[in-house]
Amino acid sequence: DGGITQSPKYLFRKEGQNVTLSCEQNLNHDAMYWYRQDPGQGLRLIYYSQIVNDFQKGDIAEGYSVSREKKESFPLTVTSAQKNPTAFYLCASSLQGSTEAFFGQGTRLTVV
Amino acid sequence: GESVGLHLPTLSVQEGDNSIINCAYSNSASDYFIWYKQESGKGPQFIIDIRSNMDKRQGQRVTVLLNKTVKHLSLQIAATQPGDSAVYFCAENRGSARQLTFGSGTQLTVLP
Repeated sequence: DGGITQSPKYLFRKEGQNVTLSCEQNLNHDAMYWYRQDPGQGLRLIYYSQIVNDFQKGDIAEGYSVSREKKESFPLTVTSAQKNPTAFYLCASSLQGSTEAFFGQGTRLTVV
Repeated sequence: GESVGLHLPTLSVQEGDNSIINCAYSNSASDYFIWYKQESGKGPQFIIDIRSNMDKRQGQRVTVLLNKTVKHLSLQIAATQPGDSAVYFCAENRGSARQLTFGSGTQLTVLP
């Protein structure tokens, strides 16, 4: 089946450790996005990428890093510089120029 | 600054009744508005979108209305079913990368 897959679904890390969240899509979409969602709030854009080997910061990029070495993959690293990393992270992809973004099922990161 | 927001955080309706979820926006330059449905612990699902040159668009059991004069967007769900219980987000499109700015969401609960 075509879709966008995030892994793992739940992730626990100790404070001060970097952690990488996986996002893979087989929809042949050019654009990919990472959002953060906190309880009772909307989604906020962390990073986005329109094409391989290129990405731009979103509204809350501080403390995060990404790479786009392959069209299918857009991993997000939550670094120790991110002050409040505990959140629900959502990855999405879309065709270039499309308004319809397809979302993964999310990764819930808890930092203890 | 520009923002997308929702009038009501929660909405309860009887099964079979119609639901209306409202959204206010302030960025008059936005050219697309999208409604997403998010079930608990899952990623958002696209429901319907509307271009700024339209004032109404219908889908299966859903209708989106856009009032550009008062910068208001609404989602109408006909004959609401238990499976419609979820958080509904409106989002506005901004920028050439088709980034989305999301509101904080409305929790729709369908009562038996």
